[in-house]
Amino acid sequence: DQQVKQNSPSLSVQEGRISILNCDYTNSMFDYFLWYKKYPAEGPTFLISISSIKDKNEDGRFTVFLNKSAKHLSLHIVPSQPGDSAVYFCAASHNYGGSQGNLIFGKGTKLSVKP
Amino acid sequence: DVKVTQSSRYLVKRTGEKVFLECVQDMDHENMFWYRQDPGLGLRLIYFSYDVKMKEKGDIPEGYSVSREKKERFSLILESASTNQTSMYLCASSKGTRTSYNELFFGPGTRLTVL
Repeated sequence: DQQVKQNSPSLSVQEGRISILNCDYTNSMFDYFLWYKKYPAEGPTFLISISSIKDKNEDGRFTVFLNKSAKHLSLHIVPSQPGDSAVYFCAASHNYGGSQGNLIFGKGTKLSVKP
Repeated sequence: DVKVTQSSRYLVKRTGEKVFLECVQDMDHENMFWYRQDPGLGLRLIYFSYDVKMKEKGDIPEGYSVSREKKERFSLILESASTNQTSMYLCASSKGTRTSYNELFFGPGTRLTVL
């Protein structure tokens, strides 16, 4: 059963506009969430994270919002640039049990930013 | 600059061959991981290791084994390669604090094709 869901496989946005990537999770024990960005033929790179004690974290053009009651988080990119075109993975982890610290990834959303 | 390196970027093997994928990290991380990435399926955890000589199964360990003889090196072994193991293989490492705040650092990936 998928614990981290990214229901949009792809998203197309015009340069300069806002990109909003969504992620839902089912495990209420998750306490840390991360976004990774992946270009073709490269490994994923860390983008931004948020702890469950916060509802917003901002880093330059990237902001992650967390709604714990809805078990939903979103990544906002403003303004979007063509270089942001990549696959974005949402990931979550929890601090209990034998797999503590392991990240559980969503299936990814491919973002295309058109000039 | 932190580094996770993988021995090959592209690999072509025949069905039934034994395949070794090597991963080395220079960050003195305790934790190392092997994922595979397939379109529409995201990143799936194959095996991980929290220490030298230790290994634990991830979500899809069937058909794979691993070896962790040294802290910096984590090898993935396909005992008898099959066509359904054609995929992008990603190695990652993280600090060994066993908390939920472990950022993963990924290697560039190995694109394996099994004919």
